[in-house]
Amino acid sequence: GAGVSQSPSNKVTEKGKDVELRCDPISGHTALYWYRQSLGQGLEFLIYFQGNSAPDKSGLPSDRFSAERTGGSVSTLTIQRTQQEDSAVYLCASSPNRGDYGYTFGSGTRLTVV
Amino acid sequence: QKEVEQDPGPLSVPEGAIVSLNCTYSNSAFQYFMWYRQYSRKGPELLMYTYSSGNKEDGRFTAQVDKSSKYISLFIRDSQPSDSATYLCAMRGATGGGNKLTFGTGTQLKVEL
Repeated sequence: GAGVSQSPSNKVTEKGKDVELRCDPISGHTALYWYRQSLGQGLEFLIYFQGNSAPDKSGLPSDRFSAERTGGSVSTLTIQRTQQEDSAVYLCASSPNRGDYGYTFGSGTRLTVV
Repeated sequence: QKEVEQDPGPLSVPEGAIVSLNCTYSNSAFQYFMWYRQYSRKGPELLMYTYSSGNKEDGRFTAQVDKSSKYISLFIRDSQPSDSATYLCAMRGATGGGNKLTFGTGTQLKVEL
C-alpha cells in the first residue's frame, strides 16, 4: 500500500488477556520500528527490525512483550497478560534500508486495558 | 534527565504569527535531526530532516541546528490554523545505530483565527 497500515486502530481488552497488534509497512522498506506513545511521555522505542531479524530489542519493557516479522514485511507485536500500564498508542514505522531518511509512521493502535 | 527535552506547551498564537519551537539534547553523538508534526489521533508525519549544524528551509518552515549548544529549532512563518498540531523533535546518531530515533515529548501548538 501507499503508507504504513496498522490494525486494529482501537483495542479494548481486559487485564490479563493477550493482544496482538499488526503492522503492514511500506512495500520495499526493510527497516521496521515499533514505538509506544503514552500521554505526556513522548514516543518510547520498543524494537527495530531489519528484514526479519531484530538487532535491537532494547526497548521492550518486559518479557510480556514480543514481536516478530515475517517475509520481510508484516510485523506483529504481542503483549501477554496485559496490565493497565500497557494502555497507550502503539505506533509502527518503516524506512528504507539505506540513506538518510526519516520514518513513515502508521496511525497507530490505541490500546486500552480495563 | 531525559536525553531530549522539549517544552510541552500548549503554545497559542494568532494566525500569521512566527512560531518558534525548540529542543535541547544531551547526547553529543546525535547527528541527524528531525521534526515531526502529529495531528490528533494520527501518526507523526515527517516535516524536516537535517544533518549536523546549520539551517534548512522548506516553504514556511525553517529548521535550525546548533550542535555546539545542543539546541535545535523549528520556525513556522505565517502560521495557519491548519498548523495546529503537536510538534515532535527527533534525533539519532550515525547510521550504524539502526536509525533508532530518540524523541522529545512534543509541543502542542494552537494557531487561532
